Amino acid sequence: RKEVEQDPGPFNVPEGATVAFNCTYSNSASQSFFWYRQDCRKEPKLLMSVYSSGNEDGRFTAQLNRASQYISLLIRDSKLSDSATYLCVVPGAGGFKTIFGAGTRLFVKA
Amino acid sequence: EAGVTQFPSHSVIEKGQTVTLRCDPISGHDNLYWYRRVMGKEIKFLLHFVKESKQDESGMPNNRFLAERTGGTYSTLKVQPAELEDSGVYFCASSQRQGGAYGYTFGSGTRLTVV
Repeated sequence: RKEVEQDPGPFNVPEGATVAFNCTYSNSASQSFFWYRQDCRKEPKLLMSVYSSGNEDGRFTAQLNRASQYISLLIRDSKLSDSATYLCVVPGAGGFKTIFGAGTRLFVKA
Repeated sequence: EAGVTQFPSHSVIEKGQTVTLRCDPISGHDNLYWYRRVMGKEIKFLLHFVKESKQDESGMPNNRFLAERTGGTYSTLKVQPAELEDSGVYFCASSQRQGGAYGYTFGSGTRLTVV
C-alpha cells in the first residue's frame, strides 16, 4: 500500500459544480495534513492545512477522518481558475519526511 | 518577503556531465528540503536540512547526488555524473518549523534534462 493515495482523476466538471477529492494515508501517527495546488509547469502552492477535524476557507473545505485515515477536499461553486492538480501531502514516519500523493487533476469547463 | 529562489530554472546537459542546482530559502527558515518530480511520477522527498545539518537524506537516490548547505543559508544539489534517469523537476522548499507544521513554501523548480 502506498503511504499516500489519492483519487486518480482526472475530474471534469462544469463551472459551478461541487467536487470532492479523497486522500488516504498509512501513517497513523501523522498530525498535520496539507492540500497543495499545482498549476501546469509551476511549483506546488499551499492551499489548506488540516490539523483537527477540518478546515474551511471560502469555497474550499478540508475534512480529516483519523479513524479511517483519510482527508478530503471539497470545492464548491467551481471556477475555471480552479483547474489544476491537487496534491495531498502528509508527513511520513518520524514526522519530517513529507510524502506527496500523485495528485488529482481537475478540469473545470465553461 | 522574498520567496524561495532556485537557479537555474532550466538546465540541459549531456549524460556524464555535472550539474549544480542552487536554492535560496526564505530568510530565517532553518528548514530546507529538496524534492524531485520525474515525468509521470509523484513528487519525491530527497533530503532535509536543518540549518547546515542534514536531518534526513534517506530520499537521495544514490551517491551521484551531493547536497550541501554551508553556513545554513543557501543550498546546492550537485549531480555528478548525470544519468538520463535524473531528468525531472527539482524543487526546493523551506519552512520555519520542522515537519513543515505550517506548510512549505516551494521554489519554482529547476527543470533538468539529461540527454
